[in-house]
Amino acid sequence: QVQLQESGPGLVKPSETLSLTCTVSGGSISSYYWSWIRQPAGKGLEWIGRIYTSGSTNYNPSLKSRVTMSVDTSKNQFSLKLSSVTAADTAVYYCARVTTVTSIWGQGTLVTVSS
Amino acid sequence: QSVLTQPPSASGTPGQRVTISCSGSSSNIGSNYVYWYQQLPGTAPKLLIYRNNQRPSGVPDRFSGSKSGTSASLAISGLRSEDEADYYCAAWDDSLSGSWVFGGGTKLTVL
Repeated sequence: QVQLQESGPGLVKPSETLSLTCTVSGGSISSYYWSWIRQPAGKGLEWIGRIYTSGSTNYNPSLKSRVTMSVDTSKNQFSLKLSSVTAADTAVYYCARVTTVTSIWGQGTLVTVSS
Repeated sequence: QSVLTQPPSASGTPGQRVTISCSGSSSNIGSNYVYWYQQLPGTAPKLLIYRNNQRPSGVPDRFSGSKSGTSASLAISGLRSEDEADYYCAAWDDSLSGSWVFGGGTKLTVL
């Protein structure tokens, strides 16, 4: 079955760019929307955005100015970049494949913003 | 401040029926499907209900969803200790270029 795994630095300095990659295994990345969602400790879920395998994107309006997503179909991976991070961006970041009938999530990776 | 509004907490005793509400607007719940997720401590959210009232394979029929207008509800009957978790509602929002929106989450305690 399809599995997702997030990877990337667990510590990012303030004002720098957070970069994460999600590797999809057990199935093709093609013809789906791929999302990033985050969750600060003890708080709720926040959708960051999604990318289709064609490269079309939708971003959370509150984060849009700082978010860039990309997809590499040859590697079955998609990526997130969040620029100008602050302590408020500290959270567990999840990648997910969300359709109208299914929802597959990675286990999540903690990213801490600190100097 | 979440776009969808849920009560922060709910509780019940084993065997009871509990409902969790989710309130939105015409641009999200009012015009799109509602989804419900269950999140156990330290784990990723798990899809519990899709398309307002459909259960994925493996989800017990003790869990049911409904939607009316711009509000939705999750009902859990025959409450069990393992149902103690955080529950989130979600919907697509048609505002601007579109985005997924979540409720703030409801912490369910089984007394």
